[in-house]
Amino acid sequence: AQSVSQHNHHVILSEAASLELGCNYSYGGTVNLFWYVQYPGQHLQLLLKYFSGDPLVKGIKGFEAEFIKSKFSFNLRKPSVQWSDTAEYFCAVALSNDYKLSFGAGTTVTVRA
Amino acid sequence: SAVISQKPSRDICQRGTSLTIQCQVDSQVTMMFWYRQQPGQSLTLIATANQGSEATYESGFVIDKFPISRPNLTFSTLTVSNMSPEDSSIYLCSVDPGQAYNEQFFGPGTRLTVL
Repeated sequence: AQSVSQHNHHVILSEAASLELGCNYSYGGTVNLFWYVQYPGQHLQLLLKYFSGDPLVKGIKGFEAEFIKSKFSFNLRKPSVQWSDTAEYFCAVALSNDYKLSFGAGTTVTVRA
Repeated sequence: SAVISQKPSRDICQRGTSLTIQCQVDSQVTMMFWYRQQPGQSLTLIATANQGSEATYESGFVIDKFPISRPNLTFSTLTVSNMSPEDSSIYLCSVDPGQAYNEQFFGPGTRLTVL
């Protein structure tokens, strides 16, 4: 069955630390990949996306993600986090010929000032 | 992009009653989706609501429990029928404006508590 796995349920780190959140998927075929973020009290918003081309994609607020096809992974990174990055992060995957998004369980990131 | 609003933002309901959630988009879109986010869990797609056709439900969700209307290209409703405490969740609508592959924009959600 198709699935999306996020490795960490809750990550706690200090400001200026580096962040990496893992995402793996089990889909056959060409996929489109997304990271969504939900800040406290706000709605889900798109952080970045990958459809094709350069496997290293850059999103808003200094985030980037790397698609590694051989590992079925799409890990999210930020070199230096800020307190305002405290949020829940969701990885999502869709087959390129399908409109349905499947979400991972989410990772809660807490950044301590 | 698309701006989406939902009503109500939250509600507390009694067991056995029904609640209708409204989703309004600021532009015309073909594809709208309804998701459920249970406490501590991820988003689960309930159904796809395209204007002019019956909603398509995902496995585990049925029309009698979650009837959906889609009267035009900017509006949809989801009803949670005969509620039980297990229906306590956040319900979100989203749209795919068709601007980029699979990219969806989400509403703020409706937080439902069933007593």
